[in-house]
Amino acid sequence: AQSVTQLGSHVSVSEGALVLLRCNYSSSVPPYLFWYVQYPNQGLQLLLKYTSAATLVKGINGFEAEFKKSETSFHLTKPSAHMSDAAEYFCAVKTGTASKLTFGTGTRLQVTL
Amino acid sequence: EPEVTQTPSHQVTQMGQEVILRCVPISNHLYFYWYRQILGQKVEFLVSFYNNEISEKSEIFDDQFSVERPDGSNFTLKIRSTKLEDSAMYFCASTETSAADTQYFGPGTRLTVL
Repeated sequence: AQSVTQLGSHVSVSEGALVLLRCNYSSSVPPYLFWYVQYPNQGLQLLLKYTSAATLVKGINGFEAEFKKSETSFHLTKPSAHMSDAAEYFCAVKTGTASKLTFGTGTRLQVTL
Repeated sequence: EPEVTQTPSHQVTQMGQEVILRCVPISNHLYFYWYRQILGQKVEFLVSFYNNEISEKSEIFDDQFSVERPDGSNFTLKIRSTKLEDSAMYFCASTETSAADTQYFGPGTRLTVL
């Protein structure tokens, strides 16, 4: 079975500060990993994905994530937060034997002045 | 850029009524999905659909739920007799293949059961 754990349901950072959103996964086979962002009253937008190529993945809006197999982690980072980054962020995992995405509980990112 | 569309954006219904949520996936995609998100909770998988049949479904997807691709463009989710606990945001998604490809999500339909 596949699962995802997101540590921290709420993260608050100052504008210009580093953003770090944590995601750990559990999978018995090599996983595909995704980060999605959800702005208020909107759907899910893909930020980036890991599909067994480069372990450091760059996405949209300056976000990136690093796949670390030894730590079963796929943390999302951004060097400098912007007010427009305030949203809910979901980590998700998919394996080759199942097409469904399994989502984490989400992390709400707040960006303050 | 192609996108998944969903109608209606908001549906209000009485408990026990049937509802049909509609989705138009991206045109060259082959795999279709429904997810739901109860307010304040995580996104949960309901069902996946390929080649005109269900390929996988979750425990949530009981006999009250059904999916259909009635024509070459629409993908629908029907709830036969809605319950209060069916109130949620329902997301449709599609992907070209089921492997590493990205699932593209629609904007969702907010279902409110009174």
